[in-house]
Formats: sequence, C-alpha cells, structure tokens
Amino acid sequence: TQLLEQSPQFLSIQEGENLTVYCNSSSVFSSLQWYRQEPGEGPVLLVTVVTGGEVKKLKRLTFQFGDARKDSSLHITAAQPGDTGLYLCAGLDSWGKLQFGAGTQVVVTP
Amino acid sequence: DARVTQTPRHKVTEMGQEVTMRCQPILGHNTVFWYRQTMMQGLELLAYFRNRAPLDDSGMPKDRFSAEMPDATLATLKIQPSEPRDSAVYFCASGWGQGYEQYFGPGTRLTVT
Repeated sequence: TQLLEQSPQFLSIQEGENLTVYCNSSSVFSSLQWYRQEPGEGPVLLVTVVTGGEVKKLKRLTFQFGDARKDSSLHITAAQPGDTGLYLCAGLDSWGKLQFGAGTQVVVTP
Repeated sequence: DARVTQTPRHKVTEMGQEVTMRCQPILGHNTVFWYRQTMMQGLELLAYFRNRAPLDDSGMPKDRFSAEMPDATLATLKIQPSEPRDSAVYFCASGWGQGYEQYFGPGTRLTVT
C-alpha cells in the first residue's frame, strides 16, 4: 500500500502543452520532494518543499505543497521532449524515512 | 561533480547464487540508503545506515539479504541465496542527515533466472 498516491499514472502530451501531476496522502509530511527518473538512471532530486502552501518554481516547473502538508502538485508549462521521464514524489515521514509514490510516467512527443 | 557510484550496473545470475552489490556514497555524506525498484512495487526502502551504523533494515528479507558498511566509502548489499523474485533494480542513495535530499546512484539491474 502506497502512502502517497500519484495521479495520473501515465500522461502523454504534445510538445508545448501544459500538464499537472498530483501527489496525495492522508498522512502529514514534514517535507515533500519531487524527483525525475530517466530510463536506466536513478531518480534525480528536483525540489524540496517544506512549508504548507509553499510554491517553488524551477524554470517551467512549478511545485506546490498543500496547506495541510498532505499533498503536492507539479505543473509543467509548455512541456518539451526533455521533460519526458518518471516523476516521483516522496514524503519525509516522522521516522525520517522517505516514502515514495508509485510515480507518473510523462511522455512528451515533438 | 560528486556522484554515487554503483557496481555492477547489470548482473544476471542463476537462482541459488550469491549476489553482491556495491555502492560508493558521495564523500562527506553520512547516510546511505538501499532501495529496490520494481514495476509492481515501485521504490521500496530496504535498509539505511547513518555514520556506518545500521538504523533500519525492516524492509529487507532478513533470511537472505544483508547490508553492511565496511567503511565510510563502501556499502554492500548481499543476497544469498538469490531467487527469481529478487529480480529488480537496486539503488543506493546517500545524503546528509535524516533522509533530507537523497542522491541516487545509477542502480544495479539484477536478473535472477
């Protein structure tokens, strides 16, 4: 059972379109991280959000942490083929361990 | 450019054989994690160490898996005997402190036939 539910599981869009990936839980996390994983590689950390309601921007990527620190979203504006990958959210639980969601596979076609 | 390194990158073995996977964490990081990734289960934490001491191995099948840190530059994960259900990608990650911002290695893809 995943503590963190990610949706959708799979997303295929055209270059230039926008997309949003969601990460939801019934648990409160002290912080939440987003990773991107490409085939044959390990996950790479994109961002960490710590404060409820926090919004962070990384170029065309916008990350938001829910007010109650139970959910988060990742929005990509004008997606590019280089954004293709598996996007994983991970929450830091009260024992100091990261709990990963199952991931959202994003495919951006030219 | 500091990175976590893992060897081997790929391993194919027959069931019953011993498998050893190695990880070199980023210099200066004091926490090392072992994860397993499969299509069905996603990323699962197997074990982690802080300052070379094992803190949690509750995610690891104790009868066949063992994890050690002989020194600060080497972490090992052993499976003996290996079984086909152990086929997965095994990742090592390192960080500083309590799981905050982990840096993953490229993984070892294990196939047990």
